[in-house]
Amino acid sequence: AQSVAQPEDQVNVAEGNPLTVKCTYSVSGNPYLFWYVQYPNRGLQFLLKYITGDNLVKGSYGFEAEFNKSQTSFHLKKPSALVSDSALYFCAVRGLQTGANNLFFGTGTRLTVIP
Amino acid sequence: GAGVSQSPRYKVAKRGQDVALRCDPISGHVSLFWYQQALGQGPEFLTYFQNEAQLDKSGLPSDRFFAERPEGSVSTLKIQRTQQEDSAVYLCASSISGALGGELFFGEGSRLTVL
Repeated sequence: AQSVAQPEDQVNVAEGNPLTVKCTYSVSGNPYLFWYVQYPNRGLQFLLKYITGDNLVKGSYGFEAEFNKSQTSFHLKKPSALVSDSALYFCAVRGLQTGANNLFFGTGTRLTVIP
Repeated sequence: GAGVSQSPRYKVAKRGQDVALRCDPISGHVSLFWYQQALGQGPEFLTYFQNEAQLDKSGLPSDRFFAERPEGSVSTLKIQRTQQEDSAVYLCASSISGALGGELFFGEGSRLTVL
């Protein structure tokens, strides 16, 4: 069965510091990995995805994520956090078993950037 | 329209009432998904359409939930005889194709409160 784990419910970081939001996954075969961000009372917005190729993928708003197959991780990173990055972040995975039908989401990590 | 549009944004229903939630996907998007997001949780898959065909409805929690997309564009999620446990945000998403690597574009959601 496929699953996604976001081990931290809450991450606090000072403005200007680097940030990391963690994600590990379990899926049969090659994973298709995604990060989404959700601002209050808004829908989810796509940030970036890993399909194949370079393990480091770059996305919107200066975010990037590193795919690590041996650790089954796909951590979201940003070199310098902004107060406006404060939001709820979701990691999600698809695999050949899930098919296109279902994108499995983690439970989310609330990021707070402190001015 | 430019994005996925959902209506109503907010719906309050008395227990036992029927509700209908509408989703207008991005024009030309083949795939359409419905997700349920409970407070403090990640989105959970309900059902998936490819054009007008409902290919997966395994996530619908009971036979009180019904979804349709008769012309392969607009979709309606109907909940009959609403219960308090149905209170959640219902998210609609569309994707240009059914490819595993395709990202989903989400609407802002319909928040249902059942009293």
